[in-house]
Amino acid sequence: GDSVTQMEGPVTLSEEAFLTINCTYTATGYPSLFWYVQYPGEGLQLLLKATKADDKGSNKGFEATYRKETTSFHLEKGSVQVSDSAVYFCALRERSDYKLSFGAGTTVTVRA
Amino acid sequence: NAGVTQTPKFQVLKTGQSMTLQCAQDMNHEYMSWYRQDPGMGLRLIHYSVGAGITDQGEVPNGYNVSRSTTEDFPLRLLSAAPSQTSVYFCASFEGYGYTFGSGTRLTVV
Repeated sequence: GDSVTQMEGPVTLSEEAFLTINCTYTATGYPSLFWYVQYPGEGLQLLLKATKADDKGSNKGFEATYRKETTSFHLEKGSVQVSDSAVYFCALRERSDYKLSFGAGTTVTVRA
Repeated sequence: NAGVTQTPKFQVLKTGQSMTLQCAQDMNHEYMSWYRQDPGMGLRLIHYSVGAGITDQGEVPNGYNVSRSTTEDFPLRLLSAAPSQTSVYFCASFEGYGYTFGSGTRLTVV
């Protein structure tokens, strides 16, 4: 079955540091890939997505590239802010299905 | 505002009690689903529905029931609450552009 593995946290960074969260996946088909963000006390919001190989999703300074050869979708941001403190989830959805499969989530804390 | 509305936001139950978590969406989405979020485990699918009158089990359905009598509503019922059901529950709906999540219900079973 489908599965998503992302790096374990928690991750603590200083403001303006570089952030990388690794995500790899296993899928039977050709999935769409997503990063969701959950700010404290809130629900999940879509951060970015990619639907085919070599697509780059980007939003709010975050980027992730769909790498089919390495089955990866790593999230990066060049200069984090305190407001980026949140839990980040990598997820996939097979084209033939509605269901989302999530990774375990990575808690990121950015200190001023 | 258009979106997914969950009630209640917080709930404490005693072991063995039953309750219903409410979920409503006003976007006319056919697909709706329930997830539970537990530390270190991400979100796991409990039940889902592809339209009114159609429901199916997800990854962790035991102890939960759902029904879908209308497109708008998708309630989740806990039949006999257990401490293992202490979690944060999220309802979500899906249309072609993506998912919309509710703000969650934090449930504690004592």
